[in-house]
Amino acid sequence: DQQVKQNSPSLSVQEGRISILNCDYTNSMFDYFLWYKKYPAEGPTFLISISSIKDKNEDGRFTVFLNKSAKHLSLHIVPSQPGDSAVYFCAASAIGNTGTASKLTFGTGTRLQVTL
Amino acid sequence: DTAVSQTPKYLVTQMGNDKSIKCEQNLGHDTMYWYKQDSKKFLKIMFSYNNKELIINETVPNRFSPKSPDKAHLNLHINSLELGDSAVYFCASSQVLTGTSGEQYFGPGTRLTVT
Repeated sequence: DQQVKQNSPSLSVQEGRISILNCDYTNSMFDYFLWYKKYPAEGPTFLISISSIKDKNEDGRFTVFLNKSAKHLSLHIVPSQPGDSAVYFCAASAIGNTGTASKLTFGTGTRLQVTL
Repeated sequence: DTAVSQTPKYLVTQMGNDKSIKCEQNLGHDTMYWYKQDSKKFLKIMFSYNNKELIINETVPNRFSPKSPDKAHLNLHINSLELGDSAVYFCASSQVLTGTSGEQYFGPGTRLTVT
């Protein structure tokens, strides 16, 4: 039962254009949604997050949009750069009962290739 | 200055053996985690410890036993290794504060291959 889904395994975008990565979820109880970037042979790196009560969060070239009614979020990268080429994971966070741990549920990732 | 480190980076071993993976974080976080990324690249949480106390324990075989000697270390011991244990194991840490996303910071991963 995959609660977080990224239906596009890969995406290719030209340098300078916008990259849009999509994510869908099924559980309405998630508190936050996060995006992670992962290079080969490295661990995932936190990129940006959004609270479940917001609909947009922006940080430099990265903007995350949340549509709660559709249970959908997207990450926009503009302008895309070759260094953005990586696997992007969408994750949903639920703070546990103790309030001391966040349980992240990950999607399967989208491989972004930014071409020259 | 590595924030979350894991050793070893690669581990090749035979079925039936017992092995350990070590994790250390220097971020001052109270909570640490172990994740498994399987062959389908699905990243799934296994355990979480807060100040040496087990907080999250997903459906993981008893052969996997986490050990936290202090809040900066969370080691993973695996008994009687099986072929299906082959995966990349990631350690992570976080500081969960009210009003924050509880983002986690990951180590570089340990690729375990069981032959």
